[in-house]
Amino acid sequence: QVQLVESGGGVVQPGRSLRLSCAASGFTFSTYGMHWVRQTPGKGLEWVAVIWYDGGNKFYGDSVKGRFTISRDNSKNTLYLQMNSLSAEDTAVYYCARGMGSVVKDTWFDPWGQGTLVTVSS
Amino acid sequence: QSVLTQPPSVSGAPGQRVTISCTGSSSNIGAGYDVHWYQQLPGTAPKVLIYDNSNRPSGVPDRFSGSKSGTSASLAITGLQAEDEADYYCQSYDSSLSGSYVFGIGTKVTV
Repeated sequence: QVQLVESGGGVVQPGRSLRLSCAASGFTFSTYGMHWVRQTPGKGLEWVAVIWYDGGNKFYGDSVKGRFTISRDNSKNTLYLQMNSLSAEDTAVYYCARGMGSVVKDTWFDPWGQGTLVTVSS
Repeated sequence: QSVLTQPPSVSGAPGQRVTISCTGSSSNIGAGYDVHWYQQLPGTAPKVLIYDNSNRPSGVPDRFSGSKSGTSASLAITGLQAEDEADYYCQSYDSSLSGSYVFGIGTKVTV
């Protein structure tokens, strides 16, 4: 079955870096755009970044632009999120999700991974 | 606050019908972008419930239906069941500034 499994979350000090991974299985990973979405109790769900199926295009939400980098390794069926200059506002559960639909701007997310918690605290 | 506005909570008795609104603007729903709905059960990841305004993925009961008109969309749940108690989120695309996928703040459905 289609499955996404995130890893790499944890507690990190402000200003430090962390890399999340998302292992995909059950579908042809190299043919789908992939996304990161985060969730906090206060701000709800927030889209973070997308990478096209071949890695040729990447786009970011305004709150992470310049600090986060999305990447993928299609030979390993794995998605990554490199997070630098972390602050308390980045504390959230981070989900990876497959992008669905034929029109990029009408994309929906299915499925989602189980999420990995990132806590930024000194 | 979220770009898409949802009521914080709705409630209903078993068997009743409830609706959840999702109000946007001319840069998202009103611009013609599709609306999608997700259900998040306690302690789990969101799961798509409705895509492209009104389509149900296989496995989603037909008690769930979606619609869109103008700058708003709605999710309706008929024949409410205890297992429907969850958080529901709408999602679309917003073309303002640099463009982004956007979510509503979520609606807690209590049965």
